Amino acid sequence: DTGVSQNPRHKITKRGQNVTFRCDPISEHNRLYWYRQTLGQGPEFLTYFQNEAQLEKSRLLSDRFSAERPKGSFSTLEIQRTEQGDSAMYLCASSEGWLSGRLNEQFFGPGTRLTVL
Amino acid sequence: QKEVEQDPGPLSVPEGAIVSLNCTYSNSAFQYFMWYRQYSRKGPELLMYTYSSGNKEDGRFTAQVDKSSKYISLFIRDSQPSDSATYLCAPIKAAGNKLTFGGGTRVLVKP
Repeated sequence: DTGVSQNPRHKITKRGQNVTFRCDPISEHNRLYWYRQTLGQGPEFLTYFQNEAQLEKSRLLSDRFSAERPKGSFSTLEIQRTEQGDSAMYLCASSEGWLSGRLNEQFFGPGTRLTVL
Repeated sequence: QKEVEQDPGPLSVPEGAIVSLNCTYSNSAFQYFMWYRQYSRKGPELLMYTYSSGNKEDGRFTAQVDKSSKYISLFIRDSQPSDSATYLCAPIKAAGNKLTFGGGTRVLVKP
């Protein structure tokens, strides 16, 4: 399978614990995105990387959230001191980036569903 | 007010009917208008997109954009039970990096 993969698929944690999610993008894609989706809502942009550089962060990404893409390949999203409001689906997407005349299509992974008790 | 609005549904139709979905948006800078389909507990997958105003057809799917009224539509002809999913509109600026999703419309096609 050459699509975007995310691990774990499900995570249940207690309030106050730290959690880390991993995303492996499509191999030739230099852009990687994180979105958050709560029940009954559309995904909301959190942050994106071009190669290893984090170029944009949403105001939704509080100080408790940190994302890395150390070698420009896989990425991790860490949430410290989790709160019940962090319960959501965390989606990763990747793309080639904008090329002349071609759409920057973002391909999504299956997501990591986080439940904070 | 959200930048992109969609009726959450659910929209229930009999098999074979035409499904009509729509979105409104507020940001004039949006140039590309995507429609994603999301099955339960899966990530969104791109169905089709249009650039600026106009129509685009792809098999049973037709997307329309009216930039003057900031209105986006998706039509599904000859709907099938396998079309039962949540449909998300997601406009983006040219050379942009952030998809701005609507809340999604849940569609149920009954056999």
